[in-house]
Amino acid sequence: DVKVTQSSRYLVKRTGEKVFLECVQDMDHENMFWYRQDPGLGLRLIYFSYDVKMKEKGDIPEGYSVSREKKERFSLILESASTNQTSMYLCASSLLVSEQFFGPGTRLTVL
Amino acid sequence: AQTVTQSQPEMSVQEAETVTLSCTYDTSENNYYLFWYKQPPSRQMILVIRQEAYKQQNATENRFSVNFQKAAKSFSLKISDSQLGDTAMYFCAFAEYGQGNLIFGKGTKLSVKP
Repeated sequence: DVKVTQSSRYLVKRTGEKVFLECVQDMDHENMFWYRQDPGLGLRLIYFSYDVKMKEKGDIPEGYSVSREKKERFSLILESASTNQTSMYLCASSLLVSEQFFGPGTRLTVL
Repeated sequence: AQTVTQSQPEMSVQEAETVTLSCTYDTSENNYYLFWYKQPPSRQMILVIRQEAYKQQNATENRFSVNFQKAAKSFSLKISDSQLGDTAMYFCAFAEYGQGNLIFGKGTKLSVKP
């Protein structure tokens, strides 16, 4: 079975802190994705990557950056966390165009 | 740009009954994929069912089936013999052929009542 893991289930940070959210998949998938999920808004794509060291902006990239130094790992970075970035963050991976496998999510609270 | 619309924010159904969740989408593409994902409370999102646009036959997975109407750009999910474990958020999603990223609807919260 594909496994996508995220470094934390719950995270509390202060405004202005630099925040790292880590995602690791174990099935050699080319594609990896970061979404944020907010009630009533569904899932919105922040960034995605089709290969190592490659990244593409999604629908809401402002305030975020990403890093993919290894195929299995895709990191989401909040350079200076703000309260409007309080949300559930979901990581996913996939092979080409096929179903995406999701991690358990990280619920981030920025105080 | 493609969009996905789920017009029912919340629904409820009695255990053992059948429920249909609606999804419409907008695209000018002819080849694409459609998905239904399930997110149980505090649990991981998982794929329920997938449909390729070039296939006329509706996809079925056990108690889950879809009604895919390409001309109407409609992709509804039918859950038969509803079970308590079907309680979840359900998301409809679209992927353009050759593209890896999904476009999601806003979700339908389904509650199955005993």
